[in-house]
Amino acid sequence: KNQVEQSPQSLIILEGKNCTLQCNYTVSPFSNLRWYKQDTGRGPVSLTIMTFSENTKSNGRYTATLDADTKQSSLHITASQLSDSASYICVVYNYGQNFVFGPGTRLSVLP
Amino acid sequence: DAGVTQSPTHLIKTRGQQVTLRCSPKSGHDTVSWYQQALGQGPQFIFQYYEEEERQRGNFPDRFSGHQFPNYSSELNVNALLLGDSALYLCASSFFWGSRPYLGYTFGSGTRLTVV
Repeated sequence: KNQVEQSPQSLIILEGKNCTLQCNYTVSPFSNLRWYKQDTGRGPVSLTIMTFSENTKSNGRYTATLDADTKQSSLHITASQLSDSASYICVVYNYGQNFVFGPGTRLSVLP
Repeated sequence: DAGVTQSPTHLIKTRGQQVTLRCSPKSGHDTVSWYQQALGQGPQFIFQYYEEEERQRGNFPDRFSGHQFPNYSSELNVNALLLGDSALYLCASSFFWGSRPYLGYTFGSGTRLTVV
């Protein structure tokens, strides 16, 4: 069954600290994996997209990694800011043009 | 360049009523997908429209139906509303026949539907 799991479910950190969010997937056949940031009540916004051959991709303070062998990905946020408070969703796209969404990790950055 | 536009932004309906949500895709996109996102959950795929036809459908009952117009805009209709239909409804647009169609996948800000 195509599934995407994320951990932790929620996370609270202090402003300026780093954090890492995890994503495990069983989607097959794998095409690519992307991380989205979703502010409360808003639509998801893409942060990074990685294909099978890419194992690291950065977007400013966001760095995503992908291990296609173990089917794991992580999103590392450096020097967190209050505006980073949001849900982060891991999404895997397969060749059937289907997106499989994870449940998200709710990040709260406190001053 | 306008992104994906959804209307209305918020909506309150009574159980048993019918509702229509609207989506205008990003300029240059011809495919529209609809998602339901319950509070605290990830988006769940409802269906996808391309060339005015439903191309794929998720695990949703027939109460959920849609339409795509010649200008690529789309509507989501939900009949006989249930309390459990309360959710954020997201529309995403893309270009169907690109070599990597997922690259342009863009979400709208959503319509918050509350059923009372």
